[in-house]
Amino acid sequence: AQTVTQSQPEMSVQEAETVTLSCTYDTSESNYYLFWYKQPPSRQMILVIRQEAYKQQNATENRFSVNFQKAAKSFSLKISDSQLGDTAMYFCASGGATNKLIFGTGTLLAVQP
Amino acid sequence: KAGVTQTPRYLIKTRGQQVTLSCSPISGHRSVSWYQQTPGQGLQFLFEYFSETQRNKGNFPGRFSGRQFSNSRSEMNVSTLELGDSALYLCASSLARTAQETQYFGPGTRLLVL
Repeated sequence: AQTVTQSQPEMSVQEAETVTLSCTYDTSESNYYLFWYKQPPSRQMILVIRQEAYKQQNATENRFSVNFQKAAKSFSLKISDSQLGDTAMYFCASGGATNKLIFGTGTLLAVQP
Repeated sequence: KAGVTQTPRYLIKTRGQQVTLSCSPISGHRSVSWYQQTPGQGLQFLFEYFSETQRNKGNFPGRFSGRQFSNSRSEMNVSTLELGDSALYLCASSLARTAQETQYFGPGTRLLVL
């Protein structure tokens, strides 16, 4: 069975600081993808960043970067220079040969002014 | 391009009724997936439609069904509603069927079953 685990239900960070959200996964797919989605209080899910498992280089998108440790099945998200607009629920997800995504339980991130 | 749209945004039903939710994907996207989001179970995959055919199905009872039209718009139906069906229902669209293609989510339909 494919699983995604987020062990931090809530986190808080000061504005302009850096925060890291943790995620571990397990999948039977040989070619898979990992994602971090953001769900602000308005509820629209937005893709933050994606990682293709066959790529060794960690993905980065502006202030967002990941630490992908394939052997450890770990996929953490680092948010640098946190902004108030980063306040949201963050979901880690895995996908593979189909469009079925397996989501973790989410981490509620609060950015404090 | 317009994003994924879902209608209605909010819905209140009573137990035993049925409900139909609609999802319009991004223009050109042929795959539509549905997810149920609840505080207790999190985000769970319901099913995926591609080219008017259901391609993948999650672990939900047969009361949950869906369909896709030739213009890629999709509907999901829940019959004989139960209190536990209260949830946010999200649809997502993408160009193709694999996770290689980014899925874009709609704002969701909030269903409350009384």
